[in-house]
Amino acid sequence: QKEVEQNSGPLSVPEGAIASLNCTYSDRGSQSFFWYRQYSGKSPELIMSIYSNGDKEDGRFTAQLNKASQYVSLLIRDSQPSDSATYLCAVAGGGGGADGLTFGKGTHLIIQP
Amino acid sequence: EPEVTQTPSHQVTQMGQEVILRCVPISNHLYFYWYRQILGQKVEFLVSFYNNEISEKSEIFDDQFSVERPDGSNFTLKIRSTKLEDSAMYFCASSALRPATGELFFGEGSRLTVL
Repeated sequence: QKEVEQNSGPLSVPEGAIASLNCTYSDRGSQSFFWYRQYSGKSPELIMSIYSNGDKEDGRFTAQLNKASQYVSLLIRDSQPSDSATYLCAVAGGGGGADGLTFGKGTHLIIQP
Repeated sequence: EPEVTQTPSHQVTQMGQEVILRCVPISNHLYFYWYRQILGQKVEFLVSFYNNEISEKSEIFDDQFSVERPDGSNFTLKIRSTKLEDSAMYFCASSALRPATGELFFGEGSRLTVL
């Protein structure tokens, strides 16, 4: 069974600093990796997707993937109070099927003004 | 910007009743999904639907659940004989490609409360 593990937090970061969020996954056959942001009571909103080893940057966000270590991370530069949310790591593909995303429990991020 | 819409936003029902949750996916998307999130827990995959049939389903999606695309726009989740533990937020999602290669877009969710 596929598992996605995240530290639930809360992770508290000062405004303007870099927030670093981590995720590990169990299924080596996983092909696609996603970071979603979820505000309380709202639906998940896609932040980043990454499919190959290395870094992928989009504005203030950088996703990092290391398939050998089965590790995905998300860096948020110049953190803003509006970045305060729960960040969900999600994985697709592999032996568990191609359609369903497997989500981690999420890391609750608090940006302190 | 195109979006996935869900109705109702909140439904309260008595245990044992049937519930239908409705979704209108993004118009040019081909894959449709239902996920659920019990309060304080992780988002869980229920079922995927493609080409008018179920493509994949999780262990959660047992005989109590069914999905249907009754016309060209709506995608529904039916829960028969609801149980207390069915209380959760149910999210519909759609994508142009399969999740292994594409990105999912979620609706705002339907909160189901079973009393």
